[in-house]
Amino acid sequence: GENVEQHPSTLSVQEGDSAVIKCTYSDSASNYFPWYKQELGKRPQLIIDIRSNVGEKKDQRIAVTLNKTAKHFSLHITETQPEDSAVYFCAAPDTGRRALTFGSGTRLQVQP
Amino acid sequence: EAQVTQNPRYLITVTGKKLTVTCSQNMNHEYMSWYRQDPGLGLRQIYYSMNVEVTDKGDVPEGYKVSRKEKRNFPLILESPSPNQTSLYFCASSFSMTRRETQYFGPGTRLLVL
Repeated sequence: GENVEQHPSTLSVQEGDSAVIKCTYSDSASNYFPWYKQELGKRPQLIIDIRSNVGEKKDQRIAVTLNKTAKHFSLHITETQPEDSAVYFCAAPDTGRRALTFGSGTRLQVQP
Repeated sequence: EAQVTQNPRYLITVTGKKLTVTCSQNMNHEYMSWYRQDPGLGLRQIYYSMNVEVTDKGDVPEGYKVSRKEKRNFPLILESPSPNQTSLYFCASSFSMTRRETQYFGPGTRLLVL
């Protein structure tokens, strides 16, 4: 099955700085890599995803990069704002089980 | 409004007392799944269902049962809850896992087993 490792577990940045969260995966057949954001007391919600035919995808202040050779992908948040404070989860498909395997999560705190 | 609903949202129970957490979606999704969320462990899948009457185990299925008799409903059953099942539970659905669709999560059910 798929194994997804996520780092760091906690990240504190000053407002306006950039934040980077990294994930590695084990299943070389994986071809879809979503990122979910979970605000305090809320449900996880998809914020961006990338498929294996592209190396980078941007949506305003967030971007995701993918290195299939090294089997890792990263979430980049620029010009961070207090409302970016949340837990972020990466995920990758377990191609054998037709399920998503999630990373352990990164708690991002943006200090005003 | 397209949504996934769960009930109850909060539940305190005692060891061994059977309980059911309901999950319903109104988006005609084929794929439904249950996760538990524990600090430092992320979201771990309990069971999933590809369609009506098709269910399979996830990473942590021990102590849980599910059923999928209707497309919209996917209840999670704890036949004999134990304290190690104290957790935050999320139901999720997507059109189809084969298309790598977005998963939509329910609001969560916080369970405490005494």
